[in-house]
Amino acid sequence: QEKVQQSPESLIVPEGAMSSLNCTFSNSASQSIWWYQQHPGKGPEALISIFSNGNKKEGRLTVYLNRASLHVSLHIRDSQPSDSAVYLCALLSGSFNKLTFGAGTRLAVCP
Amino acid sequence: EAGVTQSPRYAVLQEGQAVSFWCDPISGHDTLYWYQQPRDQGPQLLVYFRDEAVIDNSQLPSDRFSAVRPKGTNSTLKIQSAKQGDTATYLCASSPGLGPNYAEQFFGPGTRLTVL
Repeated sequence: QEKVQQSPESLIVPEGAMSSLNCTFSNSASQSIWWYQQHPGKGPEALISIFSNGNKKEGRLTVYLNRASLHVSLHIRDSQPSDSAVYLCALLSGSFNKLTFGAGTRLAVCP
Repeated sequence: EAGVTQSPRYAVLQEGQAVSFWCDPISGHDTLYWYQQPRDQGPQLLVYFRDEAVIDNSQLPSDRFSAVRPKGTNSTLKIQSAKQGDTATYLCASSPGLGPNYAEQFFGPGTRLTVL
């Protein structure tokens, strides 16, 4: 069974700084790794996904994947107070797109 | 386009009571997922459907939990005889198909359940 661990549990950064979140997973055969954002009282919303080793950039977001070390990281450039939320790392596996989530990192961006 | 809708948004029960959660997925999405999210944890998959068929319900906590999607559109998750350990947010998600091209899941706002 896939396992996903996220670190740190919580992160506080000043506005404009880089936020860096980490995720390690147990199964290198997973199809892809997804990052979801969850604001209080809302459901998770997909931000970005990556399948191949290396990095992927979308706007202020950059994801790095290293399957050999079973590690993926999410970096948010120029963090804004509106980025304050819980960030969930998830492994996609199987033919029915099963997602296995980590416990999340709670990000607070202070003005 | 309307997103995934869920009702009720909140439920408070005494132990032993039953409760049902309702989900309306995005129109045209044939795959539907139910998750349980305890406080300060990530969502944990309970059951998922392709159209009206259950693909996998092995993660339903016990036979107190059941889920149906009779016409392949809306779905209901029911807890018989709720326990305090069932306190969590119940999330519904849908996706337009299977395979890597349809991997993004779209979540509803959830139903927050408290069992006293």
